[in-house]
Amino acid sequence: DAKTTQPTSMDCAEGRAANLPCNHSTISGNEYVYWYRQIHSQGPQYIIHGLKNNETNEMASLIITEDRKSSTLILPHATLRDTAVYYCIVRRNTDKLIFGTGTRLQVFP
Amino acid sequence: GAVVSQHPSWVICKSGTSVKIECRSLDFQATTMFWYRQFPKQSLMLMATSNEGSKATYEQGVEKDKFLINHASLTLSTLTVTSAHPEDSSFYICSALRGPAAYNEQFFGPGTRLTVL
Repeated sequence: DAKTTQPTSMDCAEGRAANLPCNHSTISGNEYVYWYRQIHSQGPQYIIHGLKNNETNEMASLIITEDRKSSTLILPHATLRDTAVYYCIVRRNTDKLIFGTGTRLQVFP
Repeated sequence: GAVVSQHPSWVICKSGTSVKIECRSLDFQATTMFWYRQFPKQSLMLMATSNEGSKATYEQGVEKDKFLINHASLTLSTLTVTSAHPEDSSFYICSALRGPAAYNEQFFGPGTRLTVL
């Protein structure tokens, strides 16, 4: 049973912000929201994670709604190198990482 | 960030042969590593959890006698695909866990592309 729902694909113009949504309506209180991405033919790369508060790092920002049922990953200034499949994963810190189908983000010039 | 390497990065073998893939954590010790498989245009599928000094734990539907996992040291786990067949052709990715179980960081290797002829 899928814990998260993401759009299959999205497009974004280079230099613009990419906002990737994720629904996780059945999230438990002790589950975190993790985001990974996979560039073609490479291993996944960790982006960011959060529990309740919004988070920001050098790669992205994570906005989690107050009821925690959905979140948005924001890449503030998308570049062509951000073209990848983005995975939103809900898990406890001690759980295994189980990947869903993710969102294929295409950044175009 | 922590670095995980895999060797080889790609391999082509004949049907019926065995292939060994290595996964190394280069700058940290990892008591737990994971092996994933990814078919074209599909997501990663977790195959097994590799624990240093003990037997691996396989996910449902993964044949443990076909995919042999050895985690003999804190920095190395190996996956051996025995008697490989064309349907085993896939992208195999490992990851290593750094840190205590209460807060873990999982780092992925670059993957190994296996093609069985």
